[in-house]
Amino acid sequence: KAGVTQTPRYLIKTRGQQVTLSCSPISGHRSVSWYQQTPGQGLQFLFEYFSETQRNKGNFPGRFSGRQFSNSRSEMNVSTLELGDSALYLCASSSDPNTGELFFGEGSRLTVL
Amino acid sequence: QKEVEQDPGPLSVPEGAIVSLNCTYSNSAFQYFMWYRQYSRKGPELLMYTYSSGNKEDGRFTAQVDKSSKYISLFIRDSQPSDSATYLCAMSERGGGTSYGKLTFGQGTILTVHP
Repeated sequence: KAGVTQTPRYLIKTRGQQVTLSCSPISGHRSVSWYQQTPGQGLQFLFEYFSETQRNKGNFPGRFSGRQFSNSRSEMNVSTLELGDSALYLCASSSDPNTGELFFGEGSRLTVL
Repeated sequence: QKEVEQDPGPLSVPEGAIVSLNCTYSNSAFQYFMWYRQYSRKGPELLMYTYSSGNKEDGRFTAQVDKSSKYISLFIRDSQPSDSATYLCAMSERGGGTSYGKLTFGQGTILTVHP
């Protein structure tokens, strides 16, 4: 069974640009969550989508947004990039979002110069 | 004070040792408890998942939850060099509302098992 797939794996952007990251969940999983991981803050929750609806959102500015498609694939977008947005962005999927059992992809490593 | 506290280590042990990793938490609403293993430049891999207080064993790994003390542990028996990774504890509240998809993680403990 294929795991969570994230693309691109690595990318470099400059301040002020925007970026779109993609996530394909495990087949049959309808819940997709996004996390940001940095050395200083660790893993922090961004948002969660289920059946194309955002149901939960973490404490991040409006520059961070996402969406989910009818096939459960998800994208997240960061606009007006700042140096502090450099991080590993992780997508996780779940078959039962009530239990917190999440399966993570390998992440997209974003560097902002 | 963070909701979940985890000693970042680093922790270095010889091969074959028993490793004990711990987390404490302050949010009594946490109902689900997980341990993830993360290798360098990889995403977190789910190791153990528990709901109730008590012990859960899976091979060389044992997860322990004490809700009364707000304390969880992961024990690794007969540790191997391949166990060298960062171990993250994670917790979530019962499903619904602001808990959907949201795990609260500890900072992670860096473990090195040397031959």
